[in-house]
Amino acid sequence: QVQLVQSGAEVKKPGASVKVSCKVSGYTLTELSMHWVRQAPGKGLEWMGGFDPEDGETIYAQKFQGRVTMTEDTSTDTAYMELSSLRSEDTAVYYCATGISGDNWFDPWGQGTLVTVSS
Amino acid sequence: DIQMTQSPSTLSASVGDRVTITCRASQSISSWLAWYQQKPGKAPKLLIYKASSLESGVPSRFSGSGSGTEFTLTISSLQPDDFATYYCQQYNSLWTFGQGTKVEIK
Repeated sequence: QVQLVQSGAEVKKPGASVKVSCKVSGYTLTELSMHWVRQAPGKGLEWMGGFDPEDGETIYAQKFQGRVTMTEDTSTDTAYMELSSLRSEDTAVYYCATGISGDNWFDPWGQGTLVTVSS
Repeated sequence: DIQMTQSPSTLSASVGDRVTITCRASQSISSWLAWYQQKPGKAPKLLIYKASSLESGVPSRFSGSGSGTEFTLTISSLQPDDFATYYCQQYNSLWTFGQGTKVEIK
């Protein structure tokens, strides 16, 4: 059974960067397709990017291209999402979510990491 | 990009009601659609994948149907635990979520 455990809440100033981690257990990271989804307060779910098993590449949503970097450390089965040039509109809960063995739906999800951007 | 539109945005219903939520895609996505349930302060939970396949452990009162551009999530008899927000998601071309449907107590 896959479990995803994310790093704790962060408070950042505008213009800074944040790096959120997602530790995998129950499977190895190489067996999973990791994605990142965010949810601003009171708003819906927004896909930021993730691994496309058909292309074998990480794809970013156009909205975040140039500001987001998603990486993986297979030695520790930990995925990372770094978002730069933060602004107040980036205040949100950030989730990692995964597909298993090529599945393109998301199950399970991490518990979420609140990132607050405030001066 | 494929846009997903859910209706209604909010739905008021009573325990025991049959509830239907609709999700429309801006272009055909075949059956590449999932449904999630989210409760306040919690991560989303997968209910349905491939438009109509019920995730293991999800009660049978939940069902999904549709293909192409129009899809529905039906709860056959609404239970107290079902009051939540529901999202559809397409994964035919990249990934996109609908804006959500909040199911409230009437």
